Amino acid sequence: KAGVTQTPRYLIKTRGQQVTLSCSPISGHRSVSWYQQTPGQGLQFLFEYFSETQRNKGNFPGRFSGRQFSNSRSEMNVSTLELGDSALYLCASSLAHGRDTQYFGPGTRLTVL
Amino acid sequence: GENVEQHPSTLSVQEGDSAVIKCTYSDSASNYFPWYKQELGKRPQLIIDIRSNVGEKKDQRIAVTLNKTAKHFSLHITETQPEDSAVYFCAAIYTGANSKLTFGKGITLSVRP
Repeated sequence: KAGVTQTPRYLIKTRGQQVTLSCSPISGHRSVSWYQQTPGQGLQFLFEYFSETQRNKGNFPGRFSGRQFSNSRSEMNVSTLELGDSALYLCASSLAHGRDTQYFGPGTRLTVL
Repeated sequence: GENVEQHPSTLSVQEGDSAVIKCTYSDSASNYFPWYKQELGKRPQLIIDIRSNVGEKKDQRIAVTLNKTAKHFSLHITETQPEDSAVYFCAAIYTGANSKLTFGKGITLSVRP
């Protein structure tokens, strides 16, 4: 089975712009979670989608949003980018919501200038 | 919500020695505890996990132990090798509705040749 894939792998944006990141889960997985990884802060949970519905949300501002499509692919959007949004954004897929092992994608490295 | 802490934040061992990484969690309802290894520039990879109905689990050179009373769990690596050098994340979750996987901040393990 193909693993979790994320596109693009690298992005450079300027403050105030918006960005959309994409995640394709492992075939058959219906849950997708998103994390922000920065040095010293570990993996910060953004949100989880299952069956096209947001099931859980972390403590991030409303500029961070996401969605999931009927094929379980997910996108996250960050609007009005700030310098502090520079991070590695990881998505992870699992078979179902809240009870299964999560498998990570390679991440999207976002740099905000 | 759940809070997961890892100690120490860095660990250096001599090749061939054992390494022990400890995590504590706050929510006594948590019942699934995975460990992830993240090598530099790569995605986090699941290396071992344990459920609350088991006290210990082994897989070759790695093992995880769980103490539900004290709410802590530990990763044990024996006969360490340079390729074990990485960041290790522990996590905890109660596998039910509206739950989310909570990660510790990670421990950097360095294995000296």
